[in-house]
Amino acid sequence: EDQVTQSPEALRLQEGESSSLNCSYTVSGLRGLFWYRQDPGKGPEFLFTLYSAGEEKEKERLKATLTKKESFLHITAPKPEDSATYLCAVHLGGAQKLVFGQGTRLTINP
Amino acid sequence: EPEVTQTPSHQVTQMGQEVILRCVPISNHLYFYWYRQILGQKVEFLVSFYNNEISEKSEIFDDQFSVERPDGSNFTLKIRSTKLEDSAMYFCASTPGLGLWAGELFFGEGSRLTVL
Repeated sequence: EDQVTQSPEALRLQEGESSSLNCSYTVSGLRGLFWYRQDPGKGPEFLFTLYSAGEEKEKERLKATLTKKESFLHITAPKPEDSATYLCAVHLGGAQKLVFGQGTRLTINP
Repeated sequence: EPEVTQTPSHQVTQMGQEVILRCVPISNHLYFYWYRQILGQKVEFLVSFYNNEISEKSEIFDDQFSVERPDGSNFTLKIRSTKLEDSAMYFCASTPGLGLWAGELFFGEGSRLTVL
């Protein structure tokens, strides 16, 4: 069965304290791995799509990387406004759907 | 910046009633989707829609659910005879003509459905 697992479930950091969020997947036929940010009561906000092992993408304080089994979302010198739940999702070959992980709830304290 | 818009933002209904959730996808997008998120749980795929027909649906999307594109701009999700377990946030999403192969899927802000 295709599975997407995110860790940790929750992470609390001090402002400026860099860290990484993990998304591991056991799927066949990965077409793309998507990262989203979700604020409470809001829809997921698209961040990145990664397609192949070794690929990296950056946006402001965020950098996403991909290996054959997992993806990392690195956050550098985070600010309180980076507090949100970060979701990863996989696009499987031949399908028009994303399979989501359960998310990592990130809290940045000032 | 173009965005997916959804109405209503919150709907409360009685069990057994019919509900229609509405979405206006990003113009020039051709693939449309509904996802849902039960409180505290994962975002789950319901259905994808392309060229005026369902292209894929999940096992959640049973005969209780239907989708329609009644005109050139709206995309609707109808839930017949709602159940308590239908309470969730429902998200509409859209992508350009290549679908998910375009590498982007844009979500609306969601419609919160509460079934009493």
